Amino acid sequence: DAKTTQPTSMDCAEGRAANLPCNHSTISGNEYVYWYRQIHSQGPQYIIHGLKNNETNEMASLIITEDRKSSTLILPHATLRDTAVYYCIVRADNYGQNFVFGPGTRLSVLP
Amino acid sequence: DTGVSQDPRHKITKRGQNVTFRCDPISEHNRLYWYRQTLGQGPEFLTYFQNEAQLEKSRLLSDRFSAERPKGSFSTLEIQRTEQGDSAMYLCASSGWDSFTGELFFGEGSRLTVL
Repeated sequence: DAKTTQPTSMDCAEGRAANLPCNHSTISGNEYVYWYRQIHSQGPQYIIHGLKNNETNEMASLIITEDRKSSTLILPHATLRDTAVYYCIVRADNYGQNFVFGPGTRLSVLP
Repeated sequence: DTGVSQDPRHKITKRGQNVTFRCDPISEHNRLYWYRQTLGQGPEFLTYFQNEAQLEKSRLLSDRFSAERPKGSFSTLEIQRTEQGDSAMYLCASSGWDSFTGELFFGEGSRLTVL
């Protein structure tokens, strides 16, 4: 079973920041938080991951609370092409263990 | 550079027939994963290879399912005696030994429809 809970769906206006929350209250000390997204009819795409520090890359920012029980993925300037299902996943290490996907959050970016 | 490629992209078959899907991972990626995804759900793990060794199998992988990766490169997923409940998208992903991000690279998937 997925170790995370996410809202089922969210809307965001084009050009605004999209903030996608994720709860992972049972996360262990050696578990990373990963975010993937899946655009309709495509395979999932890696976005970002982190352990306890906030992370930023060209796609998004990841904010992890100090107690690591929740995190937020931020898309700073959402575009229509960011409409997708976003999955928050926790996993113990970088090698071997599979990713357990939950149902994710369906983000709709509106014009 | 080619990403993960899967073939066929779509397959329609009648109940009881056998089907086989092929996955070509990114070159030199030693890890290969198969997932299944039904409508409205996230991908569900089926099995995982490191090189040619099948290291993990989900209980979802019934005895009608078999996966191989004979030379540690491409992989096949075969479903025997298909049932309507097998209708789903079958996704393949790969990752490399030196991938510090643990990032999986997914293919576009093979959609199976069992009539």
